[in-house]
Amino acid sequence: EIVLTQSPGTLSLSPGERATLSCRASQTIRNSYLAWYQQRPGQSPRLLIYGASNRATGIPDRFSGSGSGTDFTLTIRLEPEDFAVYYCQQYGSSPFTFGPGTRVDIK
Amino acid sequence: QVQLVQSGAEVKKPGSSVKVSCKASGDTFTYAISWVRQAPGQGLEWVGGIIPVFGAPTYAQKFQDRVTIGADESDESTRTAYMELSSLRFDDTAIYYCAREIPGYARGAFDVWGQGTTVTVSS
Repeated sequence: EIVLTQSPGTLSLSPGERATLSCRASQTIRNSYLAWYQQRPGQSPRLLIYGASNRATGIPDRFSGSGSGTDFTLTIRLEPEDFAVYYCQQYGSSPFTFGPGTRVDIK
Repeated sequence: QVQLVQSGAEVKKPGSSVKVSCKASGDTFTYAISWVRQAPGQGLEWVGGIIPVFGAPTYAQKFQDRVTIGADESDESTRTAYMELSSLRFDDTAIYYCAREIPGYARGAFDVWGQGTTVTVSS
């Protein structure tokens, strides 16, 4: 099973700043099959990025993903509605696994 | 536009079973559906999934002995996936989500999510 580690655990920033979230895998993720999700309180997760760098339908370009192998990054140019928890997830091998999440708080 | 609508909250006793349904609307049932759970205040955990037109489910090994995932598409008005979890324990208390896997793409990336079903295991 691939274990994902996310850092930092919490990020405190202001609107307009850039958030950089890291996701590291315990082994190489096949074909960069890495996704990022946003979850606001009381809501279902929302797909932001798949295939490490492809924005999902309707996702604004202030969200961008990069990386390959075992190291991946989500970058966000923060708007007020972006303060939430972000999860990375690998689907290169079964079982599909999620990281523990990074909380992005308003500073 | 596909929507996934799940059944309502459940309260169950330890050792019993729960069945959660997920009704799809707005598209044919040619895509895969997975189930993901989230314990209170915790992260996300994949339980298993199925491609309804093919029928064969896959499960995370952790749940292999206790979960059954299936789909009913006997007619277009009943495109429903379900997840049944047996031998419930207190730590099965969670929100259970169904989620669509991106059609025509690799298995395991989830682009449409249900609203979640809260399952509480309590004596």
